[in-house]
Amino acid sequence: GNSVTQMEGPVTLSEEAFLTINCTYTATGYPSLFWYVQYPGEGLQLLLKATKADDKGSNKGFEATYRKETTSFHLEKGSVQVSDSAVYFCALSLNTGFQKLVFGTGTRLLVSP
Amino acid sequence: DGGITQSPKYLFRKEGQNVTLSCEQNLNHDAMYWYRQDPGQGLRLIYYSQIVNDFQKGDIAEGYSVSREKKESFPLTVTSAQKNPTAFYLCASRLQGPNTGELFFGEGSRLTVL
Repeated sequence: GNSVTQMEGPVTLSEEAFLTINCTYTATGYPSLFWYVQYPGEGLQLLLKATKADDKGSNKGFEATYRKETTSFHLEKGSVQVSDSAVYFCALSLNTGFQKLVFGTGTRLLVSP
Repeated sequence: DGGITQSPKYLFRKEGQNVTLSCEQNLNHDAMYWYRQDPGQGLRLIYYSQIVNDFQKGDIAEGYSVSREKKESFPLTVTSAQKNPTAFYLCASRLQGPNTGELFFGEGSRLTVL
């Protein structure tokens, strides 16, 4: 089946530290990959996406590269801020049929000043 | 401004009562979804609808019902048959078509059963 595995949190960092949140996937076919972010008490927002192998998605200083050979889509940021504290979800969508999104369990990031 | 509006934001219910959560979108999206979010479990799909007057069960549909009488609206009813309804419920919508994977989410409704 199709699934997404994320590293367990919380991830606790000091401001300006480097961030990596690991995400690996299992899928039949060639999925599109996404990172969504959820701030406290809110819904999810799309952070970035990549639709084919070797694509790099980027937004607000965050980046992730679609690695087909390792079935991974790790999220990185060079220097985190307190305002980046949130829950981050990795997700995949198959580009055939209904395109149902499959989410990982989420990784909470806590950034301290 | 276009977006998805969920109401109410917080809802308390006694055991045995049905409740309906509202979801309205003005994005002209064809597809709408309901997800349930529990701590440590990510998002699980309850129901989805691709077009008006049509909807399908997701992974955890038992104890829930939906309707899609208008393109803009996709209300979710949590029935008394749902054994553990306390959760955060998220509505989302999306354009149909290839490579249109982005979901737009509402701000969620938190249901607590007393």
